[in-house]
Amino acid sequence: QQQVKQSPQSLIVQKGGISIINCAYENTAFDYFPWYQQFPGKGPALLIAIRPDVSEKKEGRFTISFNKSAKQFSLHIMDSQPGDSATYFCAAQAAFYGSARQLTFGSGTQLTVLP
Amino acid sequence: SQTIHQWPATLVQPVGSPLSLECTVEGTSNPNLYWYRQAAGRGLQLLFYSVGIGQISSEVPQNLSASRPQDRQFILSSKKLLLSDSGFYLCAWKASAAFGKLFFGSGTQLSVL
Repeated sequence: QQQVKQSPQSLIVQKGGISIINCAYENTAFDYFPWYQQFPGKGPALLIAIRPDVSEKKEGRFTISFNKSAKQFSLHIMDSQPGDSATYFCAAQAAFYGSARQLTFGSGTQLTVLP
Repeated sequence: SQTIHQWPATLVQPVGSPLSLECTVEGTSNPNLYWYRQAAGRGLQLLFYSVGIGQISSEVPQNLSASRPQDRQFILSSKKLLLSDSGFYLCAWKASAAFGKLFFGSGTQLSVL
């Protein structure tokens, strides 16, 4: 129930296209959903995050869509650029659920944007 | 501003040798501290986390251990490394508030040969 399932494992998109990465969860106590971006040889960095009281959050070319009833959330990268090529991790956190002060991460999606 | 330092960046160790990776955080007090491991092309596996000095929670039983001797210092250790300990080790910190951002260090690439 603590798992966050992420798909696809890898994604190849042409420059200018839309990249979509999906995540699903079971634990209804999760109430904070961040996305992290990781470049090779570097630590992940927070990209964008959403709370379940909104269905969408947009920051520049990056948008999180959140469907509370389906327990799913997704990251959309508009006008994808080669510089967006990285591994993306979704995550979820429940503030008051046992020892879950740490994030539960998805398995990651390796995004390649072709020039 | 807060910064996290992790070293060394790369490490090659023979099987059976000891390990000590160090992580320090600056610019904040009483952070939550974490050690993650990432196998090549894989996800993030939480190894240990700490909410205070001397308080260590282990997520995965293994031959690794962690210690927090000071508020902003987190150490990952092993007495005898195994081949399976190879991977990318990441230290991270978060403010103790429930929804604080998680900040990662630059990682240590450990190769056990």
